[in-house]
Amino acid sequence: AQSVTQLGSHVSVSEGALVLLRCNYSSSVPPYLFWYVQYPNQGLQLLLKYTTGATLVKGINGFEAEFKKSETSFHLTKPSAHMSDAAEYFCAVAGGATNKLIFGTGTLLAVQP
Amino acid sequence: EAQVTQNPRYLITVTGKKLTVTCSQNMNHEYMSWYRQDPGLGLRQIYYSMNVEVTDKGDVPEGYKVSRKEKRNFPLILESPSPNQTSLYFCASSQQAGPYEQYFGPGTRLTVT
Repeated sequence: AQSVTQLGSHVSVSEGALVLLRCNYSSSVPPYLFWYVQYPNQGLQLLLKYTTGATLVKGINGFEAEFKKSETSFHLTKPSAHMSDAAEYFCAVAGGATNKLIFGTGTLLAVQP
Repeated sequence: EAQVTQNPRYLITVTGKKLTVTCSQNMNHEYMSWYRQDPGLGLRQIYYSMNVEVTDKGDVPEGYKVSRKEKRNFPLILESPSPNQTSLYFCASSQQAGPYEQYFGPGTRLTVT
């Protein structure tokens, strides 16, 4: 069975500071890993994904994530936070023929001026 | 514009009154899915469909029905809604089953009194 754990339901950073959102996964098959972002009153939008190949994945809006198999982690980072990054972020894992996405419980990112 | 649409966006209803939430995608995607989002629980899959006339249960299917008679449409039916189905619902679609990005609709906020 697959699962995802997001550490920290709320994270607050100052504008210009490093953003680090943590995600650990559990999977019995090689995982496909995703980060989605949800802005207020909107649906989810893909930030980035890891399927195979390069373990450092770059996404939209300056975000990136690194797949570390030995640590079963897929943490999301951004060097310098912007006010517009305030949103809820979801890590998700998928695998197998059903493409079932298993979501974490989400991390709400606040950016302080 | 490629998109997933849902209707209605907001709905307040009473216990036991049958309702349908429509979902339509214009990307010719084979895979479609319904999720519910509840605070602290992330997104949980209700039902999914691999293709026309092929549907299957997700993690929380009780009290819901779906159908997939056409490729573009995937309605969610609540035959006898109850207050515990008060939630935010999202429809999503992707090209196929597998490691593909899922595109999400804007969400339907349902309140059952």
